[in-house]
Amino acid sequence: GAVVSQHPSWVICKSGTSVKIECRSLDFQATTMFWYRQFPKQSLMLMATSNEGSKATYEQGVEKDKFLINHASLTLSTLTVTSAHPEDSSFYICSLPPSGATYNEQFFGPGTRLTVL
Amino acid sequence: QKEVEQDPGPLSVPEGAIVSLNCTYSNSAFQYFMWYRQYSRKGPELLMYTYSSGNKEDGRFTAQVDKSSKYISLFIRDSQPSDSATYLCAMSAGGGFKTIFGAGTRLFVKA
Repeated sequence: GAVVSQHPSWVICKSGTSVKIECRSLDFQATTMFWYRQFPKQSLMLMATSNEGSKATYEQGVEKDKFLINHASLTLSTLTVTSAHPEDSSFYICSLPPSGATYNEQFFGPGTRLTVL
Repeated sequence: QKEVEQDPGPLSVPEGAIVSLNCTYSNSAFQYFMWYRQYSRKGPELLMYTYSSGNKEDGRFTAQVDKSSKYISLFIRDSQPSDSATYLCAMSAGGGFKTIFGAGTRLFVKA
């Protein structure tokens, strides 16, 4: 399967600051990447679909001005949590489909645990 | 009603037991069914991928899909302590529709 990396794996920040999370596809080019959020003992919730060269598509209820997504290249997508608050503390995971537009299979990154104090 | 229902457990079994994990769903358009395994503080990894109804076997894992009942199962034979993880079911209608995940079932296999 595809190898997906995320950086950092764990970050603690103060309330009001911004945090950038990187998602990289290591072995193939990805025009699409997904960003999920997972609260403890809850399932994955899709936040947005990151599209290379164009604007991200956000799910209903996700603030696009708060969660900035930039798909700068075919191997890198970044999620910036702006003006973070304690309720933004969560596990953020990116994923990418192997090919095509079916999006049925996804390869997930290792996740980034964000703690906002 | 959620589109995908999955009992969060936890489910605790002795080593060597057969484990049965299940999900029900409401959207009859779902055609692609996946099971992911997620270890604590790690990203999910794809275990099984099935299209439409039927069974699929891979080593100790068997996935079953019953579209008439809107019910899918994952069986783990000869369970091992290393199988202890959260198992997420996921499904999609395909054609670019997004994947919907269950809440995940936490499994503990005791040595």
